[in-house]
Amino acid sequence: KAGVTQTPRYLIKTRGQQVTLSCSPISGHRSVSWYQQTPGQGLQFLFEYFSETQRNKGNFPGRFSGRQFSNSRSEMNVSTLELGDSALYLCASRIGQVYAEAFFGQGTRLTVV
Amino acid sequence: AQRVTQPEKLLSVFKGAPVELKCNYSYSGSPELFWYVQYSRQRLQLLLRHISRESIKGFTADLNKGETSFHLKKPFAQEEDSAMYYCGTSYGKLTFGQGTILTVHP
Repeated sequence: KAGVTQTPRYLIKTRGQQVTLSCSPISGHRSVSWYQQTPGQGLQFLFEYFSETQRNKGNFPGRFSGRQFSNSRSEMNVSTLELGDSALYLCASRIGQVYAEAFFGQGTRLTVV
Repeated sequence: AQRVTQPEKLLSVFKGAPVELKCNYSYSGSPELFWYVQYSRQRLQLLLRHISRESIKGFTADLNKGETSFHLKKPFAQEEDSAMYYCGTSYGKLTFGQGTILTVHP
């Protein structure tokens, strides 16, 4: 079956702009989580959506937001981009929330200039 | 709140040597613990989870509730084990440590 798909794969944006990233989970998976991966901070949890509701949130500013649609696809939005937002953004899907294996996408590489 | 700590950012060993990647967690309930691995240019993927108690690619990890640890071990490292390893815990949200880059030298 198809894996987790993230689009676009690469993005270059200017400071102050906003960006939307997309994640299509594995069919049947209702949980989608977003992570920011950087060399210095590792893998930091942004938020998790389950059945269109945000269930958990990490320690990121309000500029980072997301949503999930009825087909479980999820989008993440970052407004007023800063240079420090440059990172690989990973999406993971799980069939459920508890004790379920996460399947990761290949990520979107965001560069803010 | 659940928290995972991986004290080593970098770990280097020679091929054939034993390797241990450390992971400590803090969680008041019964955690579900995982190890995920990211090989070069590949997706992050599950390596093993503590409830399955299995050995994957020669790696094992034992949950030590007294020390709140879930260290990953392999008796004889191989060059293909070179990768980024993340320890994670899941109850609700899946949270990871900062990761350890393992390099196995020939």
